Amino acid sequence: EVQLVQSGAEVKKPGESLKISCKISGYRFTTYWIGWVRQMPGKGLEWMGIIYPGDSDARYSPSFQGQITMSADKSISTAYLQWSSLKASDTAMYYCARVDSPYYYGMDVWGQGTTVTVSS
Amino acid sequence: DVVMTQSPLSLPVTLGQPASISCRSTQSLVHSDGNTYLNWFQQRPGQSPRRLIYKVSNRDSGVPDRFSGSGSGTDFTLKISRVEAEDVGVYYCMLGTHWTFGQGTKVEVK
Repeated sequence: EVQLVQSGAEVKKPGESLKISCKISGYRFTTYWIGWVRQMPGKGLEWMGIIYPGDSDARYSPSFQGQITMSADKSISTAYLQWSSLKASDTAMYYCARVDSPYYYGMDVWGQGTTVTVSS
Repeated sequence: DVVMTQSPLSLPVTLGQPASISCRSTQSLVHSDGNTYLNWFQQRPGQSPRRLIYKVSNRDSGVPDRFSGSGSGTDFTLKISRVEAEDVGVYYCMLGTHWTFGQGTKVEVK
């Protein structure tokens, strides 16, 4: 069974750094892109970017370019999303998802989400 | 930039009755390879999104056949033939070539 298990909820202060994770099982990690999606409280879905764990090729949405960094560790089948300096506006639910092949089909398996709260 | 516009944004439905959600784009969604990569997702309350339909009309495994997708060019539709209680949630169209989601349509029981 394909599973994406995300790290737990985080509460941070503005200016702090953060790295959340997405642990994959049930398929070969290096053969599918992984996508990240933001959902702000009460709002819709926003694509942040995708990363190919095979070679760490990463594509960022223009809206998130420079604000986040995606990475992947093939040795432990885990993808990461990180911020160097959080803002209150980063408060949201963040989902990782496996991107189907071809990747134009969008995300076919989703993680359970990680809640990030940024507040002073 | 391509903009995906869903309507209605809120859809009160009667159980057992059909429901229809529209997704329109500002430009043709036909890719240079001839395919149209319009996908639909469902997000039930408190749950992660789930893909229902990919490439306009292909249902994902496990998705009930009361869900169907159709359309072409700039105009697409998700239909539920007979709404059941478990269908309550928010539905999003998504253009796969641009990674753009529609605003979402909230389906709720009248």
